[in-house]
Amino acid sequence: DIVMTQSPDSLAASLGERATINCKSSQSLLYSSNNKNYLTWYQQKPGQPPKLLIYWASTRESGVPDRFSGSGSGTDFTLTITSLQAEDVAVYYCQQHYTSPITFGQGTRLEIK
Amino acid sequence: EVQLVESGGGLVQPGESLRLSCGASGFRFTKYWMHWVRQGPGKGPLWVSHINSDGNMTDYADSVKGRFTISRDNAKNMLYLQMNSLGVEDTAVYYCVRDLAASAFWGQGTTVTVSS
Repeated sequence: DIVMTQSPDSLAASLGERATINCKSSQSLLYSSNNKNYLTWYQQKPGQPPKLLIYWASTRESGVPDRFSGSGSGTDFTLTITSLQAEDVAVYYCQQHYTSPITFGQGTRLEIK
Repeated sequence: EVQLVESGGGLVQPGESLRLSCGASGFRFTKYWMHWVRQGPGKGPLWVSHINSDGNMTDYADSVKGRFTISRDNAKNMLYLQMNSLGVEDTAVYYCVRDLAASAFWGQGTTVTVSS
């Protein structure tokens, strides 16, 4: 199974600051035939299901604010939130769908300092 | 509007069975692979099972293999999860999820509690 490891486990940042969440996979998520990284980012707020933020590692879902961006390739990925807003308080998960079983990172809890 | 509505959760004793259902609307159900993902109390999501768009290919997490069965009825836009021999470790919110990739969309979930 591909192991997804996020860092840090929790993060506190001030309003307006940048927050960076890392995700490392135990094997490459880059599919050579289409040059796509099979990596997705979700945001989960309390009492709600996860919400799609970023797919193919760097493509922002429609309606997601442009302060959210994804980067990386292969085994190392980053979710960056520029200019943190109060409504960004949530747990963020990365997930690979390169191979079965689909696996998730353990989550990063983002709080406001 | 895309909607996935799960039902069938509840409180059961260890060893009992439950059948979860998920009604889909607002999108072409027959186009998508569908998944069940569960999330235990205070834990991250855990993929449980998926089924392809035609319903003839399925896969399961090792922890549920041989106990759970995923199925779909494309004529009714419905997804199902038959869960047998439930154990306390199966206690979780169970989500019906479209695609788990570029078109990922999660239902609100249904809660399964296994306790004596």
